[in-house]
Amino acid sequence: KNEVEQSPQNLTAQEGEFITINCSYSVGISALHWLQQHPGGGIVSLFMLSSGKKKHGRLIATINIQEKHSSLHITASHPRDSAVYICAGRGSDSGGGADGLTFGKGTHLIIQP
Amino acid sequence: DTEVTQTPKHLVMGMTNKKSLKCEQHMGHRAMYWYKQKAKKPPELMFVYSYEKLSINESVPSRFSPECPNSSLLNLHLHALQPEDSALYLCASSQVATGVDSPLHFGNGTRLTVT
Repeated sequence: KNEVEQSPQNLTAQEGEFITINCSYSVGISALHWLQQHPGGGIVSLFMLSSGKKKHGRLIATINIQEKHSSLHITASHPRDSAVYICAGRGSDSGGGADGLTFGKGTHLIIQP
Repeated sequence: DTEVTQTPKHLVMGMTNKKSLKCEQHMGHRAMYWYKQKAKKPPELMFVYSYEKLSINESVPSRFSPECPNSSLLNLHLHALQPEDSALYLCASSQVATGVDSPLHFGNGTRLTVT
């Protein structure tokens, strides 16, 4: 089964700091989601990556296929960025069947004012 | 706002009740998913529908019964649940069920409490 490992599990930082969350994954994952979940809430998909780098506002996601590693960066962090950030691997199409996502355990981020 | 709509937002039910969770999307997606999420845990896949056919059933107890009446709607029928089934139930959809260019879109979830 595909595995996705995230670090750190918990991260507290001051407003304005540059934040990095890391994700490592095993073979069999063809693309990686970065997801955001606020307490008690639904999940928002931030990025889906299969190569390179994507940027949206203050969020940047990168992926290194060879090293099977992805990072999510938040620049100029703000208290409203406080949430759980989850990386999730999308399985490769290895037999024509449907697939869901393999989730990491999440990083609980708190940005203090 | 999410483009995947789940109702109800909250549901409290007894162990002898029958209830249904509903999920709707109008993005033309042909794959729809049910996930279960316990507190402080990542979501767990329950069911995947691809082109209105059940494609994956991750060994979910029969007290959970999915239904996909058409490509826009996904239901989860609940019967004789246990207190440990209390969780956030998330629906998601994607353009197709596989592929790197088909990201998942999630709903806000239904918070279920079984008493």
